[in-house]
Order: sequence, then C-alpha cells, then structure tokens
Amino acid sequence: EIVLTQSPGTLSLSPGERATLSCRASQSVSSSYLAWYQQKPGQAPRLLIFGASNRATGIPDRFSGSGSGTDFTLTISRLEPEDFAVYYCQQYGRSPDTFGQGTKLEIK
Amino acid sequence: QVQLQESGPGLVKPSETLSLTCAVSGYSISSGYSWGWIRQPPGKGLEWIGSINHIGSIYYNPSLKSRVTLSVDTSKNQFSLKLSSVTAADTAVYFCARRDNGLVAYWGQGTLVTVSS
Repeated sequence: EIVLTQSPGTLSLSPGERATLSCRASQSVSSSYLAWYQQKPGQAPRLLIFGASNRATGIPDRFSGSGSGTDFTLTISRLEPEDFAVYYCQQYGRSPDTFGQGTKLEIK
Repeated sequence: QVQLQESGPGLVKPSETLSLTCAVSGYSISSGYSWGWIRQPPGKGLEWIGSINHIGSIYYNPSLKSRVTLSVDTSKNQFSLKLSSVTAADTAVYFCARRDNGLVAYWGQGTLVTVSS
C-alpha cells in the first residue's frame, strides 16, 4: 500500500501567517488522486482539496493544493482563527486508499 | 442535504463482533456511489475499513478483510458494518461515509466504540 508521510507533525503559527503543509507518498500517486481534509476536535473530517489542487465546494480560496507524483503541498495563505485544526492527506488512486498521519496546526 | 448517522453499541467485549449501522437521509443509496466505514483510534489517524455500493460490489482494506462484513439495505436506506473477533486495538471512533471515486465529501458524526471486558 502507499504510505503517506506528513510533515511537520505540528506547526505553530499565528493568525494572518502563511501555512505550508507537506505530504510525501512512498510511491507515485496516479493522476494526482490526492486529497486534503481538515478535522477539528470532536468532528468528522471535512474535504478541502481533491485531485491535488481542486477546492471542494464552499472551501475559501485561501486554501490551495499543489504537487504531483510523490510530493504534495497544502497552503493556507492567511490563517484565520478557524483554520487551526488537524489536516490529513489521502491518496485514492491505488487500493487501499490511505491517509497520512496528520499535521496539527496550532496557534502560536 | 445528504446526512449520515451511525448507530450501535458503544461497548463491545473482546473476541465478540462489533456491529454498526448507518442511516442515510437526503439521498437514496440505490441511486449510486459507494457507502463505507472509516475509523480513527483515539488520538490517531484515519483508516479505511471498506465500502459497498447499491449492487453489492465491495471494497475491503486488505488489513481487515478477514474480519469485516459489509451489507446494504436499500429498502431502509442504510448500510452496516460487522467486525469480528475484536480486540482493544479496534477501539476507535467509527465514521460512516459516502465514497465518491475515493473521496469522502459526506461523513457521519462518528461513534466511539470501546472494546473492553
């Protein structure tokens, strides 16, 4: 199976700053079948990005995704207070679908 | 608006079978998509368990395949998970979800299942 490694494990930033989260795959992710989810405590994850760079419905444009092959990035251009959460990447191009271990974005 | 709601026991004894049901509203299961389960051990990441569509095609995570049974009841617009021979390692929040070509745009709220005697 494809193993996804996210870095950093924890990212401490202030509102208004730019956040850059990384997701590296153990094998190439076909057709950029890479998604990003946001999860807040006690809630289900929420789909942010699919196809590596496409925002899901209703997702603000401060969220952007990029990358291909084995290296992918989620960027939040200007952090809002509600953006502090855990972020997961997921590859869905090769069975079984797998998730990264998550990056916790916390307020500095 | 598509909504999913898990139900089932919150406590299961070791070696027994965990059983959960997900009721879907706002969309007919028989209209399409796959419907599945994802779990999250406390403080840890997400793991796909498996999914099933309205015609019974099933996808299992190979790591759990030998213990998982998925089923769908289109008449009740719900689908179910059975996980046999559970251990403490199966303690997790279990989410039901709608799987759209691998993506999950719709999730249940999640239900905590604890395996303990």
